[in-house]
Amino acid sequence: NAGVTQTPKFRILKIGQSMTLQCTQDMNHNYMYWYRQDPGMGLKLIYYSVGAGITDKGEVPNGYNVSRSTTEDFPLRLELAAPSQTSVYFCASSYARRGQSTDTQYFGPGTRLTVL
Amino acid sequence: QQQVKQSPQSLIVQKGGISIINCAYENTAFDYFPWYQQFPGKGPALLIAIRPDVSEKKEGRFTISFNKSAKQFSLHIMDSQPGDSATYFCAASRETSGSRLTFGEGTQLTVNP
Repeated sequence: NAGVTQTPKFRILKIGQSMTLQCTQDMNHNYMYWYRQDPGMGLKLIYYSVGAGITDKGEVPNGYNVSRSTTEDFPLRLELAAPSQTSVYFCASSYARRGQSTDTQYFGPGTRLTVL
Repeated sequence: QQQVKQSPQSLIVQKGGISIINCAYENTAFDYFPWYQQFPGKGPALLIAIRPDVSEKKEGRFTISFNKSAKQFSLHIMDSQPGDSATYFCAASRETSGSRLTFGEGTQLTVNP
């Protein structure tokens, strides 16, 4: 199993450009997540999905959009990139059972995004 | 606000010493407290986790101590090794939120040889 894979690894965007960060998992996990990591700020949840066709906002969703058409893929779309979106983005997945909060999240290697 | 506060922000320990990282939470509904370890250039990975029905959990050199009344939990790394140098995140979640984790700010641990 490759686990959680993310592409690209690095990207530089100009202000106002758009891009999609790709995330794929091959563990048949139902839950998937997008986080951003900024120095000294921990990981902040952007969006998450509990299954194909179902997505919901996390703590910092503004400026981002997601879709989940398959169990495996959970792309994150940045529209009109801004310098404040400079960050490291992590995708994660887990197999969560209803009413259970103890499921391990498996993280991808991250995408380092710079907006200039 | 579901917050988890972590300290210290950075920690330097000599090889063989004990590393201690502390976290405090506000929401008494939290019922799962994992610690994640992150090496440079990698994604975080689960290190150890605890539920509030026990006060301590040990796995090898890593121990979580949990104080429900104080709403605090801590990670102890015994006999710290240079290979333990990484960033450590505490986190918390509650059953009704599914698997959504609230993370602490992170602690950058450096173990000097």
